[in-house]
Amino acid sequence: DVKVTQSSRYLVKRTGEKVFLECVQDMDHENMFWYRQDPGLGLRLIYFSYDVKMKEKGDIPEGYSVSREKKERFSLILESASTNQTSMYLCASSPPGQNEKLFFGSGTQLSVL
Amino acid sequence: EDKVVQSPLSLVVHEGDTVTLNCSYEVTNFRSLLWYKQEKKAPTFLFMLTSSGIEKKSGRLSSILDKKELSSILNITATQTGDSAIYLCAVERLQGAQKLVFGQGTRLTINP
Repeated sequence: DVKVTQSSRYLVKRTGEKVFLECVQDMDHENMFWYRQDPGLGLRLIYFSYDVKMKEKGDIPEGYSVSREKKERFSLILESASTNQTSMYLCASSPPGQNEKLFFGSGTQLSVL
Repeated sequence: EDKVVQSPLSLVVHEGDTVTLNCSYEVTNFRSLLWYKQEKKAPTFLFMLTSSGIEKKSGRLSSILDKKELSSILNITATQTGDSAIYLCAVERLQGAQKLVFGQGTRLTINP
């Protein structure tokens, strides 16, 4: 079974802190994604990567950056956390062109105080 | 701007009822529509629909796509408390590096 692991289930940070959210997948998938999920807004794509060291902006990249130094790991970085970044963050991975095989991690609930 | 809209946003029914969840979309270069179930945290894949009028079925769940109406429905018959979840609809585009556009989700609650 594909496993997508997010390093933290719950995280509490202060405004202005630098925050790292880590995601690791064990199925050698090329594509990796970071979404945030907010009530009434569904999942919104922050960044995605289709190969090592490649990244592309999603629909809401402002305030975020990403890093993909190894194929299995995709990190989301909040350079200076703000209260409006309090949200559920979901990482996902898939083989190229096979979104029916998109697998999600269990999510990180981030609270920025 | 590409958009996916689900309705209702929330639904509460009794065990044994049949429910229909709706998803409509306005997306350029449509490739497929996908349904996911999110029980606790990680959404899990249910169906992928590419052709209009062909029903996909898995147990008590079924789904169909109507490309003319730019919509899809997800039916659940004889609901059980274990069907309580958020159901997410997403549309895949032909171009754009396989990005999915998600709807807001429908929160379904099944009461015993």
